Amino acid sequence: DAKTTQPTSMDCAEGRAANLPCNHSTISGNEYVYWYRQIHSQGPQYIIHGLKNNETNEMASLIITEDRKSSTLILPHATLRDTAVYYCIVLRGANDYKLSFGAGTTVTVRA
Amino acid sequence: SAVISQKPSRDICQRGTSLTIQCQVDSQVTMMFWYRQQPGQSLTLIATANQGSEATYESGFVIDKFPISRPNLTFSTLTVSNMSPEDSSIYLCSVDSVGLGEKLFFGSGTQLSVL
Repeated sequence: DAKTTQPTSMDCAEGRAANLPCNHSTISGNEYVYWYRQIHSQGPQYIIHGLKNNETNEMASLIITEDRKSSTLILPHATLRDTAVYYCIVLRGANDYKLSFGAGTTVTVRA
Repeated sequence: SAVISQKPSRDICQRGTSLTIQCQVDSQVTMMFWYRQQPGQSLTLIATANQGSEATYESGFVIDKFPISRPNLTFSTLTVSNMSPEDSSIYLCSVDSVGLGEKLFFGSGTQLSVL
């Protein structure tokens, strides 16, 4: 499986957009980019995923570079409740369950 | 999205005892999984809970230590047997969402502390 690299931590002002980068330079053609987040002591929460096109849902937008070697998760208007650890992972799709979250990015939203 | 109820949410147990964690889903799902998250660590897949057959365990996990039941398409249990302090972790139930999109949903987890 492709490994991912994320910054260790990031601060963001409340109400501003938070842009979370992720490098996955060894991603293969059939692997999806997934983003989850984990608020302290809770189960991971799915945010968004994509293969090669940019994606948007009610929580976030996902921008994937054309070569698919990196992506950016965008939280358009960060709130204090978005403070969490954000994980970027790559999976082969519906039959790949051996999630390896890595250390993720600890995002702290400040008032 | 699938709604997953996991019980208990937390427990403190004595060494040598066993704890059974329950996972209930509000809809029928094909695949259910159990993960462990040790303090400060990433998730580790323990096993896939197969409906009507024995669970499929990942390397490093055995049925005698982590027996799993899956009596139907909405329910599963994980037992942590003969516990030691090293078993202190968050245990998470997860389901796939085939039919709802390609993503995994997680329960809120069971925080287990073994004294």
